[in-house]
Amino acid sequence: NAGVTQTPKFQVLKTGQSMTLQCAQDMNHNSMYWYRQDPGMGLRLIYYSASEGTTDKGEVPNGYNVSRLNKREFSLRLESAAPSQTSVYFCASSERSPGLAGETQYFGPGTRLLVL
Amino acid sequence: RKEVEQDPGPFNVPEGATVAFNCTYSNSASQSFFWYRQDCRKEPKLLMSVYSSGNEDGRFTAQLNRASQYISLLIRDSKLSDSATYLCVVNESGGSYIPTFGRGTSLIVHP
Repeated sequence: NAGVTQTPKFQVLKTGQSMTLQCAQDMNHNSMYWYRQDPGMGLRLIYYSASEGTTDKGEVPNGYNVSRLNKREFSLRLESAAPSQTSVYFCASSERSPGLAGETQYFGPGTRLLVL
Repeated sequence: RKEVEQDPGPFNVPEGATVAFNCTYSNSASQSFFWYRQDCRKEPKLLMSVYSSGNEDGRFTAQLNRASQYISLLIRDSKLSDSATYLCVVNESGGSYIPTFGRGTSLIVHP
């Protein structure tokens, strides 16, 4: 099992450009998540998907859109990148729906994004 | 925003030392608690869940104090390989679930 995979690993964008971060998991998990991690800020939830076909906003959704393409894949799109979106982006998955006690998340290796 | 607070450290300890970190949370409705480990430039990985009665996994012991709203992580006989950032995670159960991560505590174990 590859677990959670993310592409690309690194990306440099100019302000105003768009891009899609890809995430896939092969653990047959129901729930998937997108986080960003900034120095001194910790991990912050952008969007999550409790099951195929559903998505919900997290703490910092502005400037992002997501698509739960199928059970395996959950993509994050930046329509018009801004320097404030420079960050490390992590995708994660968990077996069951959010809100259940004791639910473990499994993270991908991250995408490092620089917006100039 | 619901707050989860950690001392960022770094905690700088010699090999073999015992070290403890605390994490405080503000939402009394929080139901589940975890410690994750994150190595430099890597993804977070689950270290251990934290159960109400406390739990131990080898050299690691986790405790929950609901009355004072904090969880703790104790590492005994520290190894060089324990050097990492330790993230506290607090979840509500049900409703509008948003897992909240602390900013992490940095541990450096030196020879």
